[in-house]
Amino acid sequence: QKEVEQDPGPLSVPEGAIVSLNCTYSNSAFQYFMWYRQYSRKGPELLMYTYSSGNKEDGRFTAQVDKSSKYISLFIRDSQPSDSATYLCAMSARASKIIFGSGTRLSIRP
Amino acid sequence: DGGITQSPKYLFRKEGQNVTLSCEQNLNHDAMYWYRQDPGQGLRLIYYSQIVNDFQKGDIAEGYSVSREKKESFPLTVTSAQKNPTAFYLCASNSYGYTFGSGTRLTVV
Repeated sequence: QKEVEQDPGPLSVPEGAIVSLNCTYSNSAFQYFMWYRQYSRKGPELLMYTYSSGNKEDGRFTAQVDKSSKYISLFIRDSQPSDSATYLCAMSARASKIIFGSGTRLSIRP
Repeated sequence: DGGITQSPKYLFRKEGQNVTLSCEQNLNHDAMYWYRQDPGQGLRLIYYSQIVNDFQKGDIAEGYSVSREKKESFPLTVTSAQKNPTAFYLCASNSYGYTFGSGTRLTVV
């Protein structure tokens, strides 16, 4: 079993919809949780960085962490065609390397 | 602007040839990383370095080598021992989440 599981998609939604992306993990020592966006043939860029459980909001993006269920989510409100990309979840324990999910391909239909 | 510069963007390797991928950062980060990305497999860690003159193997280090002689630079050599080197290679540095370069796409010809 992988330490981090992420549905690869592809996920296709109409413009303006709310998108929900999710990851599950098995290592209870993970404390730092990240979401990256990767456009085709580009390096990933950090979208959200959270510590421990709770919610964090940044514009149209909201990250949620539920450590009791070992489950993290990224919500995108008012989705735009420019949000079409692969989204990678990532996490780490204190002072350890970051483990990445395999990524979910998202397509927003105009 | 601070960031990570990877070069070249595209690289072609002949059978039996060693090639070196460049990674330079001006973020003053101590930790640097090399990842390989294949379709459907996410990011796999090749090597990482927490400090100058020190580096550790990641999950798939066989067939690769690195050096860290300067804080700003962390080059990756893909040796002829790497039997399946065609992939997208990403360099990153770390401070509250990774900053990635734009990647190098290596193809065996």
